[in-house]
Amino acid sequence: SAVISQKPSRDICQRGTSLTIQCQVDSQVTMMFWYRQQPGQSLTLIATANQGSEATYESGFVIDKFPISRPNLTFSTLTVSNMSPEDSSIYLCSVEFSGVDAFFGQGTRLTVV
Amino acid sequence: TQLLEQSPQFLSIQEGENLTVYCNSSSVFSSLQWYRQEPGEGPVLLVTVVTGGEVKKLKRLTFQFGDARKDSSLHITAAQTGDTGLYLCAGAQGVYKYIFGTGTRLKVLA
Repeated sequence: SAVISQKPSRDICQRGTSLTIQCQVDSQVTMMFWYRQQPGQSLTLIATANQGSEATYESGFVIDKFPISRPNLTFSTLTVSNMSPEDSSIYLCSVEFSGVDAFFGQGTRLTVV
Repeated sequence: TQLLEQSPQFLSIQEGENLTVYCNSSSVFSSLQWYRQEPGEGPVLLVTVVTGGEVKKLKRLTFQFGDARKDSSLHITAAQTGDTGLYLCAGAQGVYKYIFGTGTRLKVLA
C-alpha cells in the first residue's frame, strides 16, 4: 500500500482564478491518476500522469483547463484553471500498486464562488 | 462509454440487518475493486477480485466476482453503524485504468 497526501484538503476560490493541488506519495510509483468527484457523484478519471512525459487526458478534459505536472516518481500537481462554479468538486489523486490495487489520497474539496 | 451500474443507489437499514449491493456492466473487466468512502475522505480500498467466480470474505463483508467478470456483489452481514458510507465498485479497463460505478450510499441506523 501507500500513504498519499494531498494539499490543500479544501479551498474556497473566486471564479476566474486557478488552484494547484499537490499530491505526495511515500514511495515511488510509475503512474499517478487524477480523478474528479462532483457533488453526490461517483469518480471520473481526469488524466494519467507519467513521470517525464505529458499527461494523458480522458475525453472531456483538456490540458489547458487541467494542466498536470509530474516532476518525479513521488509527486504530482493538478491545476484547475480559470475556475467556474461548475468546477466545484472533490479532486482525488490515486496511485496503483501490484498492477491491480489503486489507493487514493484524502481528496481536495474545492468550492468556487 | 463503459458503465458500471450499482444498485441500490441508496439504502437505509437498521443495525443488525443484512444487505447486498450489486455492481453490473455489459463489459468484461480484468479485475474489480470495492471501495468505501466516508464524508471528507478519499475512497478506501476494501478488496480486489480478479478471477471469475471468485469469492472473498473480509470479516462481515463477502465479495463475489461474476463468472463472466462483468458483475460483482457485496454482501454485508449484521450491518453496523460503522458500515455507513458510500460504496463504490471500480472495474479495471485495460492496464492502470479504472471505471467507477455509480455508487451506493448506505446508512445504517442504530
